[in-house]
Amino acid sequence: DAGVIQSPRHEVTEMGQEVTLRCKPISGHNSLFWYRQTMMRGLELLIYFNNNVPIDDSGMPEDRFSAKMPNASFSTLKIQPSEPRDSAVYFCASSRRTSGTDTQYFGPGTRLTVL
Amino acid sequence: GDSVTQMEGPVTLSEEAFLTINCTYTATGYPSLFWYVQYPGEGLQLLLKATKADDKGSNKGFEATYRKETTSFHLEKGSVQVSDSAVYFCALSAETNAGKSTFGDGTTLTVKP
Repeated sequence: DAGVIQSPRHEVTEMGQEVTLRCKPISGHNSLFWYRQTMMRGLELLIYFNNNVPIDDSGMPEDRFSAKMPNASFSTLKIQPSEPRDSAVYFCASSRRTSGTDTQYFGPGTRLTVL
Repeated sequence: GDSVTQMEGPVTLSEEAFLTINCTYTATGYPSLFWYVQYPGEGLQLLLKATKADDKGSNKGFEATYRKETTSFHLEKGSVQVSDSAVYFCALSAETNAGKSTFGDGTTLTVKP
């Protein structure tokens, strides 16, 4: 069974450019989470979806960030325009149910560098 | 709101030493508790979990017991190996939060041969 798939694995871009990160959750999972990890701030939840519907986006830093989940097998996180402070590792995770007992399965992450 | 407090790192141990990483939590109701591990260059992966008070989660020689009276979920291993070097995250998830988890700051463990 394939795990959570993220692409690209590495992205280097220049300030002001648009960046799109992609995630394919595990088949059959109903919840999807986007996290950002930095040395300074640790692991931060940006947004999560249940059954393709955004439930809580209070962690999205500002209007430059947006996320979509058009269907159960695909989600995107977009940053427009990007800034150097957006440099981080972005993780996507999915879980089977909207239940507190369920494990989250993380993808390998996308390492974003904004110059 | 919910919160998780982990022992600050980094922790450095010699191979075969005993490991304890402390974790305490604040939550309403009866959350499930988790330990995740992150190896260098990888995403987090579940190490063990416990879903109710007095449950013990165990995996790969690691153990943690859900202690409701002390609101704790300390991670232990009797004899660590170099391959256990990683970052360990304590987390909780409440039924009322529709699957959303609250993570601790992570504790970096380095095991030296």
